[in-house]
Amino acid sequence: EIVMTQSPATLSVSPGERVTLSCRASQHVGTNLAWYQQKPGQAPRLLIYAAFNRATGIPIRFSGSGSGTEFTLTINSLQSEDFAVYYCQQYFNWPPYTFGQGTKLEIK
Amino acid sequence: EVQLVESGGGLVQPGGSLRLSCAASDFTLSSYWVHWLRQDPVKGLMWVSQINRDGSRTTYADSVRGRFTISRDNAKNTVYLQMNNLGAEDTALYYCATDGGARFDNWGQGTLVTVSS
Repeated sequence: EIVMTQSPATLSVSPGERVTLSCRASQHVGTNLAWYQQKPGQAPRLLIYAAFNRATGIPIRFSGSGSGTEFTLTINSLQSEDFAVYYCQQYFNWPPYTFGQGTKLEIK
Repeated sequence: EVQLVESGGGLVQPGGSLRLSCAASDFTLSSYWVHWLRQDPVKGLMWVSQINRDGSRTTYADSVRGRFTISRDNAKNTVYLQMNNLGAEDTALYYCATDGGARFDNWGQGTLVTVSS
């Protein structure tokens, strides 16, 4: 099973700032990596797939990069609605599909 | 817009059973592979099971294999998760989601399963 590790667990940032979230896979996953956003009381929402492709309707301030074992999600000019928990997920080697434990983005 | 609605969750005693449903509205669920996932505060997000478009292929996480059964009724536009021999470790919010290429494109709002005596 591929283990996904996200860092940091919590990130305190101010609106308008740029933030980078990290995700590391325990094995090579190519670019078979997705990012999700989850707000309190809501289901996760797909943001990025294939490491850098934005899902339908996702603003361009969200961007993904990386391949192999190291990935990043960058959010430019943080908006108030971006404060949430972000998860990465690999789909290179399944079953099982595996998720990171999440990074919580909170307002400084 | 793809909309999924889960139902069937509730409180069940250890060793009991529940059947979850995932119904689609305003789109044809048979066009998609469908997954069940679950989330709890300790273990986070976990993939549970998947089913292909015609129901001929199913896959399970090790922790539920032999206890859970995924199925679908395309005439009813619904996917099911039969859960037997439930334990406390199965307590979670259960989501269904459509597959967009081994990623989870659209999610329902979830249904809560609590296993407790």
